[in-house]
Amino acid sequence: DAGVIQSPRHEVTEMGQEVTLRCKPISGHDYLFWYRQTMMRGLELLIYFNNNVPIDDSGMPEDRFSAKMPNASFSTLKIQPSEPRDSAVYFCASSFEISTDTQYFGPGTRLTVL
Amino acid sequence: KQEVTQIPAALSVPEGENLVLNCSFTDSAIYNLQWFRQDPGKGLTSLLLIQSSQREQTSGRLNASLDKSSGRSTLYIAASQPGDSATYLCAVRRGGNQFYFGTGTSLTVIP
Repeated sequence: DAGVIQSPRHEVTEMGQEVTLRCKPISGHDYLFWYRQTMMRGLELLIYFNNNVPIDDSGMPEDRFSAKMPNASFSTLKIQPSEPRDSAVYFCASSFEISTDTQYFGPGTRLTVL
Repeated sequence: KQEVTQIPAALSVPEGENLVLNCSFTDSAIYNLQWFRQDPGKGLTSLLLIQSSQREQTSGRLNASLDKSSGRSTLYIAASQPGDSATYLCAVRRGGNQFYFGTGTSLTVIP
């Protein structure tokens, strides 16, 4: 398997624009996680899915953020409208089982909002 | 809220030295604790996962221990190599499937 795939790897946009980040989890993994990493706050869990269903979105910072998982092999994280403070590295991770299995991380998307 | 602290924030050691990285957490009611490695510009790679019922896990030159009652975990790296240079993060999973990460220790192994 190619591992968790994220696109784009880098995104530069202007404040107010819509941003869509994409993730393809490892085939067969039932759980998908979205994280955000900044120097100030470290790594934070935003939301996670189980079998394509959002289970916990308490980490989503604002209504400007939304995430979907239309099928087992694809998820998106959307920010609309984007703000400079959204600049961060966004990671997607997947795992087969949540309590005993490790999470496999993608390479991340570095987002810069000007 | 669970807080996860890693000290030191940065560590520099000569090649061949054994070293210990520390992770502490405020709430002992955890399901598991995981150590990750992060290379610059890359995602996280899982190193070791310790369930709450376990005391330690070993993989090659790495050994991770867990003391839930004191809210501490250590990652021991034996015979360090320049290739071990990276940022090491610990993460705890609590009830409700909440995950909390430490801010990491940046390790540099000098050849």
